[in-house]
Amino acid sequence: EAQVTQNPRYLITVTGKKLTVTCSQNMNHEYMSWYRQDPGLGLRQIYYSMNVEVTDKGDVPEGYKVSRKEKRNFPLILESPSPNQTSLYFCASSLRVQAAYEQYFGPGTRLTVT
Amino acid sequence: EDKVVQSPLSLVVHEGDTVTLNCSYEVTNFRSLLWYKQEKKAPTFLFMLTSSGIEKKSGRLSSILDKKELFSILNITATQTGDSAVYLCAAFNNNAGNMLTFGGGTRLMVKP
Repeated sequence: EAQVTQNPRYLITVTGKKLTVTCSQNMNHEYMSWYRQDPGLGLRQIYYSMNVEVTDKGDVPEGYKVSRKEKRNFPLILESPSPNQTSLYFCASSLRVQAAYEQYFGPGTRLTVT
Repeated sequence: EDKVVQSPLSLVVHEGDTVTLNCSYEVTNFRSLLWYKQEKKAPTFLFMLTSSGIEKKSGRLSSILDKKELFSILNITATQTGDSAVYLCAAFNNNAGNMLTFGGGTRLMVKP
């Protein structure tokens, strides 16, 4: 089954404790991205990747890192989480960047930083 | 800076009512306007609109784009409780990499 998976689905952590949210897709997609969703703000793009070893900042990259060492995986790293990073996070992928309108979204990760 | 604005922020209606959700956009290199429905999980794709004035329909949902006035509407007729969700619109552009700008969403609640 074609899908995007994220782990963990829920996470409560404390300020400053490094964490990684994993994202994996099984569709051989080139384009992957991370979004955060906050009430009333829709989805805002954090980082995106157009292919292996090609990543770039989205609209709200501060406080986040990503890597794309393999095509299927695109982890989101919070080196020193802060309470303002409490949010709902979605990973998404599409076949190519030009097909970003056909993104497959992961199930979401709800992160709370205390 | 690219911007997508949705209105109203929230809406409460009764089953059977018709609702109209609005989406206006200001984006560079605009290509298409997308609508999504989001229940308590990831957004699911509803429509993509690329040409002005051509209505897209799917059951009780329909949508149209006005590229001159830079807005789109999503209509839902004969609403049902299952239509309760957040509806998101997003502008798809030709900018390298960061290609989708989302609006803040309209939260629709349909009461029995």
